[in-house]
Amino acid sequence: AQSVTQLGSHVSVSEGALVLLRCNYSSSVPPYLFWYVQYPNQGLQLLLKYTSAATLVKGINGFEAEFKKSETSFHLTKPSAHMRDAAEYFCAVSAPDSWGKLQFGAGTQVVVTP
Amino acid sequence: DAGVTQSPTHLIKTRGQQVTLRCSPKSGHDTVSWYQQALGQGPQFIFQYYEEEERQRGNFPDRFSGHQFPNYSSELNVNALLLGDSALYLCASSQQGTEQFFGPGTRLTVL
Repeated sequence: AQSVTQLGSHVSVSEGALVLLRCNYSSSVPPYLFWYVQYPNQGLQLLLKYTSAATLVKGINGFEAEFKKSETSFHLTKPSAHMRDAAEYFCAVSAPDSWGKLQFGAGTQVVVTP
Repeated sequence: DAGVTQSPTHLIKTRGQQVTLRCSPKSGHDTVSWYQQALGQGPQFIFQYYEEEERQRGNFPDRFSGHQFPNYSSELNVNALLLGDSALYLCASSQQGTEQFFGPGTRLTVL
């Protein structure tokens, strides 16, 4: 079984500051991990994914995440926040033999202040 | 390419009624998954359809059922609606083993 915990339901960052969103997972098998973004009244958009290749994964819009097996973490970062990064972010996990069955965290709402 | 489309956009029903939601996958995709997203929560996996069969299912009661048609489009049916079924219902499509693309969702309100 897999599960995901996102630390912090709301994060406020200044424009230009580092964005750090935390995600810890639990999985009985080596997992696939994902970060999605959801803008108001829209569906989810994939930012990046880890599927057992390089542990540092680069995604769209300047985001990246690092898979750390020893810490069971997959934190999302962006060096410099933009106003357009204001959205809700979801971390998700799936087992390799259950492709498409995603287990999502509760989400982190990001607010960017000028 | 229109991407994943869902209909209707919004829907209001009363307790005990039945509802059908529809999803058209992205061109070239053969797999459709459905998720329920309650307000303030992450999406929860309902089930996945591939080759017109339910392949995987989450922890949802039998009131939730689905169908996939030969053109890969899909329906989600919910019977005997409860207040707790009020949520955003998301459809995602993919080819087996590839990235899922999500639709904008159907907002269901049960009164």
